[in-house]
Amino acid sequence: GAVVSQHPSWVICKSGTSVKIECRSLDFQATTMFWYRQFPKQSLMLMATSNEGSKATYEQGVEKDKFLINHASLTLSTLTVTSAHPEDSSFYICSAAHGTLMNIQYFGAGTRLSVL
Amino acid sequence: DQQVKQNSPSLSVQEGRISILNCDYTNSMFDYFLWYKKYPAEGPTFLISISSIKDKNEDGRFTVFLNKSAKHLSLHIVPSQPGDSAVYFCAASEGDDKIIFGKGTRLHILP
Repeated sequence: GAVVSQHPSWVICKSGTSVKIECRSLDFQATTMFWYRQFPKQSLMLMATSNEGSKATYEQGVEKDKFLINHASLTLSTLTVTSAHPEDSSFYICSAAHGTLMNIQYFGAGTRLSVL
Repeated sequence: DQQVKQNSPSLSVQEGRISILNCDYTNSMFDYFLWYKKYPAEGPTFLISISSIKDKNEDGRFTVFLNKSAKHLSLHIVPSQPGDSAVYFCAASEGDDKIIFGKGTRLHILP
């Protein structure tokens, strides 16, 4: 099946610093990538949808200046958490879809962010 | 308001028996439903899906049933195996709109 690599898997940072998370589709071209956030015992909450070469579409309530998404190529999308604060601590997961099978997404392993 | 609900946070099933995971939804416009499986420290992996024009889809040991009138779907795993122990997410979408996930059900397969 399609493989999506997400890096890093775990990051600890100080409050006020920025953290970049990378999401790569390794064996297919991802026309669309998605970024999710998951709190303990909660659903995966979609943060934003990004299409290669265009601006990301953010879900209501998600600060686009806080969570910067770049989808510069068909195999790479990045999420940068700017000026991170403890309340940003969470599990962030990316996924990728290709072609017309938009409903079937392939997920990365996720990144656990801990902001001290 | 949660549009996709998995009311059982956990479920324990004896190895070899049938596991039945349930999911309810509130949006009658959903037309595509999916199940994802997630192991600890890994991202969810796609398991099986069903379109609203069908009421059953089978793939090996996995069968998904859809009851549109009741806005209910279920995932049957038979026979259950130890490797099936994981968190299962039910998800739904309307057309090309975003996928909405449930909170997940943790399945424990007992030896």
